[in-house]
Amino acid sequence: AQSVTQLGSHVSVSEGALVLLRCNYSSSVPPYLFWYVQYPNQGLQLLLKYTSAATLVKGINGFEAEFKKSETSFHLTKPSAHMSDAAEYFCAVSDLSGTASKLTFGTGTRLQVTL
Amino acid sequence: NAGVMQNPRHLVRRRGQEARLRCSPMKGHSHVYWYRQLPEEGLKFMVYLQKENIIDESGMPKERFSAEFPKEGPSILRIQQVVRGDSAAYFCASSPEGGGNIQYFGAGTRLSVL
Repeated sequence: AQSVTQLGSHVSVSEGALVLLRCNYSSSVPPYLFWYVQYPNQGLQLLLKYTSAATLVKGINGFEAEFKKSETSFHLTKPSAHMSDAAEYFCAVSDLSGTASKLTFGTGTRLQVTL
Repeated sequence: NAGVMQNPRHLVRRRGQEARLRCSPMKGHSHVYWYRQLPEEGLKFMVYLQKENIIDESGMPKERFSAEFPKEGPSILRIQQVVRGDSAAYFCASSPEGGGNIQYFGAGTRLSVL
């Protein structure tokens, strides 16, 4: 069974600082991995996805993530935080590689950006 | 191109009543998923449907919950005899055939049980 662990339920950074949100996965098959962002009282918006192509994945809003098989990690980074990045971020793994199936989500990391 | 549409956005029910949550997938999407988000928690998978078929219901509670995705019309998540523990945000997602399992989410229905 697939699982996702997000270390740190809350992360606070200063505006302009590096953002690093951690995600480790467990998967019995080559994983498809996703990062989603959720703004208050809204649905989830896809930031980026890893689908076994390039290990460094670039997403929207300046975010990127690197797939490291040896570390079973898929950490999300952004070089310079903006106030508008404050939201909840979820890492997810697909149950079956490339096939329509359920997503298993981590418990989320709430990002706070301070002046 | 409208996104995934869920209604109502907010639903208030008293204990013992029925709740019906609707989801219209994105145009051209044939896969629908329902997830539940409890306060301060991540999303938990409930059920995955294609038109007229339930593909995976491993996350559905055994009693009181049911889901359908008819040939015509939206997908419906039905909760009978609601209890306070059913209070949560329910999200629907859809994906296209051959879309690499990229799921697009609606804004959710927030159910409050009094």
